[in-house]
Amino acid sequence: DIQMTQSPSSLSASLGDRVTITCRASQDIGNYLSWFQQKPGKSPRLMIYGATNLEDGVPSRFSGSRSGSDYSLTISSLESEDTAIYYCLQYDKYPNTFGAGTKLELK
Amino acid sequence: QVTLKESGPGILQPSQTLSLTCTFSGFSLSTYGMGVGWIRQPSGKGLEWLANIWWDDDKYYNPSLKNRLTISKDTSNNQAFLKITNVDTADTATYYCARITIAAPWFAYWGQGTLVTVSS
Repeated sequence: DIQMTQSPSSLSASLGDRVTITCRASQDIGNYLSWFQQKPGKSPRLMIYGATNLEDGVPSRFSGSRSGSDYSLTISSLESEDTAIYYCLQYDKYPNTFGAGTKLELK
Repeated sequence: QVTLKESGPGILQPSQTLSLTCTFSGFSLSTYGMGVGWIRQPSGKGLEWLANIWWDDDKYYNPSLKNRLTISKDTSNNQAFLKITNVDTADTATYYCARITIAAPWFAYWGQGTLVTVSS
């Protein structure tokens, strides 16, 4: 199975901060990676697909990037509504595997 | 407009079989390239992919539960199903279904989830 190592597990940041969350894949997954945002009591929401593509309706302060086997989700200027848990997902190979999640809170 | 909604028993006892239904609209599982996946999430924990079924009845399972999972579909009624046999307390979770397509296999659309509790 492909392991997705997500870091950090939790993050506290201030409004307006630039925030970066990273997932490292244990094998080559190309750009077959997506990012989800999950708020308490809600279903996950797709934010990024294909490693770098912004889903329709997602604010432009969110972006995705890749460097080798490291995939990053960046929020350019943190807003209060961005507090949530973020998960990466690799869908290159079965079994699809999620990262363990990053809990993003306001400082 | 794509919508999905999960339904299940709510509570069941250890060793029983869990039967889940995903009722969807806005697409058809008889259409080329369409699929539905199941994902679960224990309370306060992360997401775990369980299984996918495709329009051509191709099926994929998480090997960590493979022998216990059966995914199926009813194209006439726009439903997908997941059965998990011999449940135990570790299967207590919120179960989600989500739409996938060949061009977009990244779970773009999710249901609201259904909470299943396994308890004696």
